This record gives sequence, structure tokens and C-alpha cells, in this order.
Amino acid sequence: GDSVTQTEGLVTLTEGLPVMLNCTYQSTYSPFLFWYVQHLNEAPKLLLKSFTDNKRPEHQGFHATLHKSSSSFHLQKSSAQLSDSALYYCALSENNNAPRFGAGTKLSVKP
Amino acid sequence: NAGVIQTPRHKVTGKGQEATLWCEPISGHSAVFWYRQTIVQGLEFLTYFRNQAPIDDSGMPKERFSAQMPNQSHSTLKIQSTQPQDSAVYLCASSLDAGGGYEQYFGPGTRLTVL
Repeated sequence: GDSVTQTEGLVTLTEGLPVMLNCTYQSTYSPFLFWYVQHLNEAPKLLLKSFTDNKRPEHQGFHATLHKSSSSFHLQKSSAQLSDSALYYCALSENNNAPRFGAGTKLSVKP
Repeated sequence: NAGVIQTPRHKVTGKGQEATLWCEPISGHSAVFWYRQTIVQGLEFLTYFRNQAPIDDSGMPKERFSAQMPNQSHSTLKIQSTQPQDSAVYLCASSLDAGGGYEQYFGPGTRLTVL
């Protein structure tokens, strides 16, 4: 079956440093991968979605590349901002099945 | 577009009581999903509907949880005989057809507290 594994727990960074949150997956089919961001007391919101044509999606300075060879869709940003502090979920959607989410990674950016 | 609407935003029940949670998906979205979110378990899939038909309820606790979608404008999640371990935020999401994968739009959630 399909599954998603993320960097576990809490990632703490200093403002201005690069961000990388890991996401790997197992899938029988060719899935779509997503990153969602959830700020405190808010609903999860779509941040990025993988493309099928090797394009690299970008949004709000974040980007992620789907690597089928390594089954990964890591989230990256060159310079963390205080406002990036949030809970980040990687999700997988395949074959018309409901998306499954990883355990979530809490990112805390400090001044 | 008001987004996904969930009511109530907060619900407190006593152990053994029933709780009904409501979700109004974004107009035109054909798929509706229910998830449960806790600090320990994260986002757990419960069930989903496509064009009002139940497609997958593999995440639903079998005995006390049920979900329905009587029309395209709302879905309900009912929990009978609520237990303290049911305390969580219940999130509803909707999506257009899955041709490109389900891009989900989440509602604000219902925070259920079972005393």
C-alpha cells in the first residue's frame, strides 16, 4: 500500500538559514505528491503539488522536486522566515484514492 | 467563495452522548473527505465520498462512527456513544475530480471535546 514518511518531530532553524523537510513515499502507481502547511489554529492549506513533467513547483519561496528514482519529494526554501513557522504535511494521492498524509513536521524559525 | 464550511466549530459532549458534525463543501467540488487530527496521530483519514457516493471508509472506527452525504451540498459525520479518545479536531476537505490528484481544500475543523 501507499505510505508517506516525513522528517519526524520538530525542526528548529535560525531565520535566514535554508529549510529542507524530507518526504519519502511508497506507492504502487505513479502518485501525485503534495505539501500542505498548517499555521497555528488554522486549517491545512495546499503549498505545493508535484507535476508529472519534471517541472519544479514553487510557491512562497518554497519548492520541491519529485524524484521517482528515490521516491522523494523534499520541501526546500533557501532562506527561512519567522512566518514560516508552522506544521508541514506531505501527502500522497494515487489512483483516485483519498490522499494519505505523513506524520507532519513542525518547523520553528527563531530570530 | 466561502470555502469549506464546518459546523459547529467547537463541541463538548459527555461520555456516551452523540455528536454530529456538519460539512458544506465548496460548490462544484465532487469529492468530500473527513480526517481526524490529534497531536499524537496527526492527520488520520476517515472516509470519503465522490459524487455523493461513499468510496472508502477504511479509516472509520466501525462501531460508533458513520458518515453520510445526502446531497452535494453537505456531509455529516456522526459519532455515537462518544468516548474521551474521540476528542480531536475533525477536518472536512473537498476537491475537484482526481484527474490530477486530489488537491484538497480544508475547512476550519470542528474541535470535539468529550468529557
